[in-house]
Amino acid sequence: GAVVSQHPSRVICKSGTSVKIECRSLDFQATTMFWYRQFPKQSLMLMATSNEGSKATYEQGVEKDKFLINHASLTLSTLTVTSAHPEDSSFYICSAPPGGFYGYTFGSGTRLTVV
Amino acid sequence: AQTVTQSQPEMSVQEAETVTLSCTYDTSESDYYLFWYKQPPSRQMILVIRQEAYKQQNATENRFSVNFQKAAKSFSLKISDSQLGDAAMYFCAYEGGGATNKLIFGTGTLLAVQP
Repeated sequence: GAVVSQHPSRVICKSGTSVKIECRSLDFQATTMFWYRQFPKQSLMLMATSNEGSKATYEQGVEKDKFLINHASLTLSTLTVTSAHPEDSSFYICSAPPGGFYGYTFGSGTRLTVV
Repeated sequence: AQTVTQSQPEMSVQEAETVTLSCTYDTSESDYYLFWYKQPPSRQMILVIRQEAYKQQNATENRFSVNFQKAAKSFSLKISDSQLGDAAMYFCAYEGGGATNKLIFGTGTLLAVQP
């Protein structure tokens, strides 16, 4: 089945630094990648939609200069949290639609802790 | 805008018993897809079941089945013969039939399975 590999699974960084999260589609071409943020015991909130070769579309209220998204190839999308602060600590998940019956496939998530 | 509502924050079921999780949604579209996703403690999102709105027949996947009432905009999930491994957060999700293809999630239902 379709697999999205997300790395790192956990990252701790110092306040003010930047962190990059990668999502790779392993056995299909992901022209679109969705990026979600999830707080403990809450639902997934869509942050942005990335499309290969074009600028990402951000949801209302999401700072595009803080959450930089790059989708340079059909198999790789990245989310960079710039100048991270403790309030950016959260669980980040990527998801791609591989098409067909399977619907969406999700990465395993990245737990970001900013200290 | 489309919305998805899960009115049961938490549910509990005895092992081997049956439980139904509720989901309602609001949309003006006639063509769309509905999903139930499971998120165990690992936080990996797992597709449980998928329903196309144009299909009148309720989807079934082994012990999981849905009651899809299009006119009432209701999409409940029934889990039969509950197992300890079914304990997880369950999210109902909506995908519109348009070009954006983004998933809209409900707030989730935390299911506990009692031995």
